Amino acid sequence: SAVISQKPSRDICQRGTSLTIQCQVDSQVTMMFWYRQQPGQSLTLIATANQGSEATYESGFVIDKFPISRPNLTFSTLTVSNMSPEDSSIYLCSAIMTGEGYTQYFGPGTRLTVL
Amino acid sequence: GENVEQHPSTLSVQEGDSAVIKCTYSDSASNYFPWYKQELGKRPQLIIDIRSNVGEKKDQRIAVTLNKTAKHFSLHITETQPEDSAVYFCAARDAWELSFGAGTTVTVRA
Repeated sequence: SAVISQKPSRDICQRGTSLTIQCQVDSQVTMMFWYRQQPGQSLTLIATANQGSEATYESGFVIDKFPISRPNLTFSTLTVSNMSPEDSSIYLCSAIMTGEGYTQYFGPGTRLTVL
Repeated sequence: GENVEQHPSTLSVQEGDSAVIKCTYSDSASNYFPWYKQELGKRPQLIIDIRSNVGEKKDQRIAVTLNKTAKHFSLHITETQPEDSAVYFCAARDAWELSFGAGTTVTVRA
């Protein structure tokens, strides 16, 4: 199976600042996604990261708040901008792998705490 | 969009007994149904999946069944062990986006 890495694994940030999370996949990727998981909750899709073009955002998520880049097939970043305590959550990168029946895997997540 | 409902939200079973989690979905175009296991503080791990052209799939103690007509699918864990304790999520995919159920917290009592 694919290896998906994320960094940082966790961070504590001050209100009003921004944090960029990086995601790297070690093999051929078809699609990349960013999810948010609140404590004790299910996974909510933030956006699909499109290579070389603007990400596709789900309802309730906007580019100004969560800018996403995907400069190549296997790397993506998510920025959480102008953070507030409500942004405290786990952010997970996910990828659909080419050649594995389009199975979807998840990164280890980034645990963000905003003070 | 797709709506996935998952039941029960919590499940406590005696070690060695079976556990069953059920999910329903709304979009008849969904064709891929994975199940993920998430232990505390860990990433969701794919444990089994099924595609719409298959009615049942088994992998050791884990099996998944799919009824496309009724739009529901189920996870069956037999001979449960303490290490099966975790949160389990079902999901359904139409095109590229996965929609997740709310999750089931499974506790296996020794």
